[in-house]
Amino acid sequence: QKEVEQNSGPLSVPEGAIASLNCTYSDRVSQSFFWYRQYSGKSPELIMSIYSNGDKEDGRFTAQLNKASQYVSLLIRDSQPSDSATYLCAQKLVFGQGTRLTINP
Amino acid sequence: EPEVTQTPSHQVTQMGQEVILRCVPISNHLYFYWYRQILGQKVEFLVSFYNNEISEKSEIFDDQFSVERPDGSNFTLKIRSTKLEDSAMYFCASSGLVITSYTFGSGTRLTVV
Repeated sequence: QKEVEQNSGPLSVPEGAIASLNCTYSDRVSQSFFWYRQYSGKSPELIMSIYSNGDKEDGRFTAQLNKASQYVSLLIRDSQPSDSATYLCAQKLVFGQGTRLTINP
Repeated sequence: EPEVTQTPSHQVTQMGQEVILRCVPISNHLYFYWYRQILGQKVEFLVSFYNNEISEKSEIFDDQFSVERPDGSNFTLKIRSTKLEDSAMYFCASSGLVITSYTFGSGTRLTVV
């Protein structure tokens, strides 16, 4: 059974701080990982993809992949209230349950 | 900006009835997907479709489900005999060769009564 696990939160972070979201996975075969953002009542929106060990940066977002530890993370720098949403980690087509993030002004 | 269009936005159906959910993917995309999300739960993959055939499907996608691309633009999900537990938000998604093009539609909320 392929599993993607996330802490459901909620995670509260003050505005301007770094938000750190974590995800673990069980399937060692599939090497495609994705982070999505989902606002309440809306559809998921792809933020980042990562396939190789290490960091991948895109603007205020950094995805980190550690295949040895089967761990993926997403860092959001300079957090804004508009970043408040549920963040979904996915390994290929398998989604985690999401972490609800609240950025406090 | 190109978008994936889903209709209807909300459908109510009686248990045992057939429903067809419709999607218009982005025009130059090649890969098409259906997902569902039961209220308060995680997004679950149902099926992917490429080159006019199913490329992958999950355990959820049993004989009650089918997909079709009847013409060059529409991509449909049919549930033959709906059950109460089929009540969920159904999302269509499409992508091109570049993964950053992966786009979800706004969803169809299916309520089975």
